[in-house]
Amino acid sequence: DVKVTQSSRYLVKRTGEKVFLECVQDMDHENMFWYRQDPGLGLRLIYFSYDVKMKEKGDIPEGYSVSREKKERFSLILESASTNQTSMYLCASRAGGNLRTEAFFGQGTRLTVV
Amino acid sequence: AQTVTQSQPEMSVQEAETVTLSCTYDTSENNYYLFWYKQPPSRQMILVIRQEAYKQQNATENRFSVNFQKAAKSFSLKISDSQLGDTAMYFCAFMKQLLTGGAQKLVFGQGTRLTINP
Repeated sequence: DVKVTQSSRYLVKRTGEKVFLECVQDMDHENMFWYRQDPGLGLRLIYFSYDVKMKEKGDIPEGYSVSREKKERFSLILESASTNQTSMYLCASRAGGNLRTEAFFGQGTRLTVV
Repeated sequence: AQTVTQSQPEMSVQEAETVTLSCTYDTSENNYYLFWYKQPPSRQMILVIRQEAYKQQNATENRFSVNFQKAAKSFSLKISDSQLGDTAMYFCAFMKQLLTGGAQKLVFGQGTRLTINP
């Protein structure tokens, strides 16, 4: 079975802190994604990556950056956390190539910025 | 940008009833894939069903089927004989290939919270 693991289930950080959210997948997937999930807004795409060191901005990249130094790991970075970044963050991975391949999700990280 | 719209924030039906969740999307692409994902209260998102844009035949997976209307850009999910375990958030999603390298973009709608009552 594919496993997508996010480093923390719950995280509390202070305003202005630099925050790292880590995601690791074990299936050699090319594509990895970071979303934030907010009630009424669904999943909004922050950044995605299709290979090592390759990244694309999603629909809401402001205030975030990403890093993909190894194929299995995709990190989301909040350079200076703000209260409006309090949210549920979901990581996903999928094989590249055919558009039909499904995405597999991590369990999510509930981030609270105080 | 591609947008996916789910206009029903919440729905509730009795067990064994049939329910239809709606989804519309906006794109100028011809080649894309559509998905329905389910997020039960435990939070792990899982795939329910998928549909290729080039296929006119609607996809079915046991009690789950879709009504894909390409010209109308509509992709609804029908759940027949609903069960208590179907209670979850349901998300419609759109996948397309970008022109840059191998990038493939997956975007989701706002979700519909479905409750199946005993």
